[in-house]
Parts: sequence; C-alpha cells; structure tokens
Amino acid sequence: QVQLVQSGAEVRKPGASVKVSCQASGYIFNNFDIHWVRQATGQGLEWMGRMNPGSGTTAYAQKFQGRVTMTRDTSISTVYMELSGLGSEDSAVYYCARRVAVRIPDWGQGTLVTVSS
Amino acid sequence: NFMLAQPHSVSGSPGKTVTITCTRSSGNIANNYVQWYQQRPGSAPITVIYEDNKRPSGVSDRFSGSIDSSSNSASLTISGLRSEDEADYHCQSYHNYNQDCVFGGGTRVSVL
Repeated sequence: QVQLVQSGAEVRKPGASVKVSCQASGYIFNNFDIHWVRQATGQGLEWMGRMNPGSGTTAYAQKFQGRVTMTRDTSISTVYMELSGLGSEDSAVYYCARRVAVRIPDWGQGTLVTVSS
Repeated sequence: NFMLAQPHSVSGSPGKTVTITCTRSSGNIANNYVQWYQQRPGSAPITVIYEDNKRPSGVSDRFSGSIDSSSNSASLTISGLRSEDEADYHCQSYHNYNQDCVFGGGTRVSVL
C-alpha cells in the first residue's frame, strides 16, 4: 500500500530554517507529484508547493517564493521541504501528499514545526 | 488567482441533511474539478468527493457533491447525519494555467 512517512517534530528559533522529509513507498516514486500543505492550529489547509520527483521540477505558492525549497533524493524515494526565515506564523503541521490525477488521496502523517524563542 | 470561500461552520441534528458551499471568487467553477476532504482532529485529510461529484470507494453514499454555475460554487451534501461525520471539510481545486492547488478555508460540521 502507498505510504508517505515524514520526519519527526521540530522546534526552531525565529529566523532559523527547518527541513522536513517525506519518504514514499508502495508506488513508482517518479510518476506522481508530491505536494506540501501546512495547517496552523485551528486553521485551514494552506498549499505551499509541489515537486515532480521524476524531473525535479518545482512550483511554489507565491506566498512562499524565496523562502521554500523542495528537493528530492530518488535513490531513497524521499522528497524534502526546507523553509527558511521562520517566524511564529510558520508554526504549523506540515503535510506531504501525493497527487493522483486531480485527487490527493495519500497524505503523510504530518510534521509539527514549532517556532519559538 | 482565485480563492475558495467556505462558511466557518454548519450544524445539524442526527439524521438530517447539511450542505457546505465553496464559492469561487473569480473564473468559472466548472473550469476545474473540485475535491472535498474530510479531516478529523489530529488526522490527515481523506478524500470524500473528487471531480465535483465522484465518491472514492469506501466513502458512504450519504456524501454527495455538485457544482452550480449560477452561484459559481460547489457544494458538499451530507445526508442522514451521524456523529461520526463531525469533522472539518475542505474544498480544493486547481488554477487553470499552472495547476497550482487552492484550498478553501475549511468548514467545521457539528452534529447537535
């Protein structure tokens, strides 16, 4: 079965960076885009960007342009999302998710990132 | 760029029907498929409707989706409301030109 397993919770100080990993299994890694979505406590889902693991092509939401970088390591079927210049407003649960046609049927378990001085 | 607007919350009694709307701010709602996700506290979202009105296997037929071009909105209807339906529901679509993802703000469904 398809699994997306994310790295564990992180705590960072304001101004720092965080890198979250998402390891995929159960399907052909290169064939499906991975999206990153975050959710602050009590808030809705916020799309951050996507990566095509096969080509390495990325697209980022305008809000995160210049602060987010998505990369991948195809040898271990893992996609990474790095967010820099963290502020308290970046405290959230970060999800990776696999897009299939128009659906997003598969989600990671989420990674809690806390930004606090 | 367009946005998707949802009511903050809706509620209903067990056995009743509730409808959640998702209004597109610009461009035609019919231009891009709308998906609906259910999210229980502490869990990742799951798809309940995709391509406007299709149900994934395993999703109850009490969930149905539709679009209305006159109001430029999509709707998720839950009939025969049950306590297990208490959750947040998020609509989602894509930009036409670059396929970037857009989510609505989410709607909390409460069963009275």
